[in-house]
Amino acid sequence: AQSVTQLDSQVPVFEEAPVELRCNYSSSVSVYLFWYVQYPNQGLQLLLKYLSGSTLVKGINGFEAEFNKSQTSFHLRKPSVHISDTAEYFCAVSDMNSGYSTLTFGKGTMLLVSP
Amino acid sequence: DAGVTQSPTHLIKTRGQQVTLRCSPKSGHDTVSWYQQALGQGPQFIFQYYEEEERQRGNFPDRFSGHQFPNYSSELNVNALLLGDSALYLCASSPRESGELFFGEGSRLTVL
Repeated sequence: AQSVTQLDSQVPVFEEAPVELRCNYSSSVSVYLFWYVQYPNQGLQLLLKYLSGSTLVKGINGFEAEFNKSQTSFHLRKPSVHISDTAEYFCAVSDMNSGYSTLTFGKGTMLLVSP
Repeated sequence: DAGVTQSPTHLIKTRGQQVTLRCSPKSGHDTVSWYQQALGQGPQFIFQYYEEEERQRGNFPDRFSGHQFPNYSSELNVNALLLGDSALYLCASSPRESGELFFGEGSRLTVL
């Protein structure tokens, strides 16, 4: 079984500042890693995913994440945020045996961008 | 190309009742997964359907059941509703062998 810990429930930041949303996971097997974003009253949208290869993954809307196997982390970063980035962000993991559909999610981090 | 569509968007039920939620997958997708997202929590995997059969199941009681139709659409049924079943129910679809889940906007169930 896997688990995901998102260390911050809420991250306030000013517009144009950099941001990092932290995610740690635990698993006894190799995993796939994902970041999803959820805007108010909407479903989840995939930001980026790590399946294999380069540990630095670039996603949509200027976001990127780095997979660190030794620290079992997959932190999400953006160098300059916009007001429109205000949303809930979820880190998720699936093990390579279960495939991509059975994701275990963290509790989410609310990113609050203010002017 | 329509994405994943779910109905109804909102509904209110009372304890003990039964509910059916519906999902149409994105065009070209044959696998449907259901997730429950309680308020302030991340989504939790309920089950996955492929070729009209339940393939994987999360830690949910038998009160939660589903069905997939030949056109790949799916239903989630919950019997004997409890207050704790109040949540946003998300449907996600994917091609069988591919990596990205596409989520619908969800059905928000309130149990009174």
